[in-house]
Amino acid sequence: EDQVTQSPEALRLQEGESSSLNCSYTVSGLRGLFWYRQDPGKGPEFLFTLYSAGEEKEKERLKATLTKKESFLHITAPKPEDSATYLCAGAGQAGTALIFGKGTTLSVSS
Amino acid sequence: GAGVSQSPSNKVTEKGKDVELRCDPISGHTALYWYRQSLGQGLEFLIYFQGNSAPDKSGLPSDRFSAERTGGSVSTLTIQRTQQEDSAVYLCASSHYPRQGVNEKLFFGSGTQLSVL
Repeated sequence: EDQVTQSPEALRLQEGESSSLNCSYTVSGLRGLFWYRQDPGKGPEFLFTLYSAGEEKEKERLKATLTKKESFLHITAPKPEDSATYLCAGAGQAGTALIFGKGTTLSVSS
Repeated sequence: GAGVSQSPSNKVTEKGKDVELRCDPISGHTALYWYRQSLGQGLEFLIYFQGNSAPDKSGLPSDRFSAERTGGSVSTLTIQRTQQEDSAVYLCASSHYPRQGVNEKLFFGSGTQLSVL
């Protein structure tokens, strides 16, 4: 069964304290690995798509990487405004639904 | 509009009542999805519409759930005879690209928080 597992469930950081969020996946025929950010009371907002192992994407303080088994979202020198829930999702075989993980809730304090 | 619009933002109903949730996707987006997000759970796929094709209903949890999309735009998710376990946030998303494509960047609405008492 296809599955996406995110860890940790929650992460508390001090402003400027870099860290990484993990997304492990078992999705047959993975066509893409997606990262979304979700703020309280809002729908998820697209961040990145990664298509193949070794690929990296960057946006401001965020960098996403992909291996054959997992993806990491690296957060460099985070700020309080980076506080949110980060969702990972895998796209399997064509015609199947995106499989989402349960998310990692990040809290950054000043 | 500029984004995906969902209404109502909050809905409180009594067990056994029917509810209708509305989604207005981004203009020109042919793909439309409904997801359910329960506390502590990942997003659960419900249904997918693509243009004039037959919808993929494989994620609907029971026959109490149904959805339609009129004119390739607005969509309504209907839950009949609501149960307490139906309480969740119902999210709608649209995309310019069909699901079969490589790019599945989805634009989500803010959701409808459904509470069944």
